[in-house]
Amino acid sequence: QVQLVEFGGGVAQPGGSLRLSCAVSGFTLSRYGMHWVRQAPGKGLEWVAVMSFDGSDDYYADSVKGRFTISRDNSKNTVYLQMSSLRVEDTAAYYCARDPGGWYIAGYFDLWGRGTLVTVSS
Amino acid sequence: EIVLTQSPGTLSLSPGERATLSCRASQSVRNNYLAWYQQKPGQAPSLLISGASSRAAGIPDRFSGSGSGTDFTLTISRLEPEDFAVYYCQQYGRSSLYSFGQGTKLEIK
Repeated sequence: QVQLVEFGGGVAQPGGSLRLSCAVSGFTLSRYGMHWVRQAPGKGLEWVAVMSFDGSDDYYADSVKGRFTISRDNSKNTVYLQMSSLRVEDTAAYYCARDPGGWYIAGYFDLWGRGTLVTVSS
Repeated sequence: EIVLTQSPGTLSLSPGERATLSCRASQSVRNNYLAWYQQKPGQAPSLLISGASSRAAGIPDRFSGSGSGTDFTLTISRLEPEDFAVYYCQQYGRSSLYSFGQGTKLEIK
């Protein structure tokens, strides 16, 4: 069964840090690029970051560049999002999502996790 | 950045009717790299259409996508009760500058 499960969300203070994890099963992680996409409460979707299948390339939205870092451990079937210098406006549900491109980054999302909620508040 | 504007914001229709959702881009989307997603309350989005018109695996043929350049349309030919949800378009024509529309809520009339 193909599955993506995010965890690690919670409450953090402004300026604090949090690390999200996305555990995948049912497919070979090392064959796919992986994204993080977020959704503020009651709002639309915002792409956050992507990492290529082998971890050689990563790209970020301007809103998180320099503060967030995407990484992956294909041997553990897990993708991570390290979030630092958190701001109130980072409050959102964070979804990991699979890119169907394989060896290249297609840029859209064919499988999604259920999301984990991050709340940044003092 | 390519800005996507979806219209209408809310669409009220009855089961069995035809739904037409619009997505307009602020500049031409390269290779028509435009996707559509459906999101039901409390759930993650799910992929419906990629490449402007290619249905994802398992998507019923009542869903169809069309358009090119800056104007794209998602059509649901005959609405089923499970189709009432929020729909988002997304462009992926500009590498690492991916953007979504603000969404169209399809509600039961």
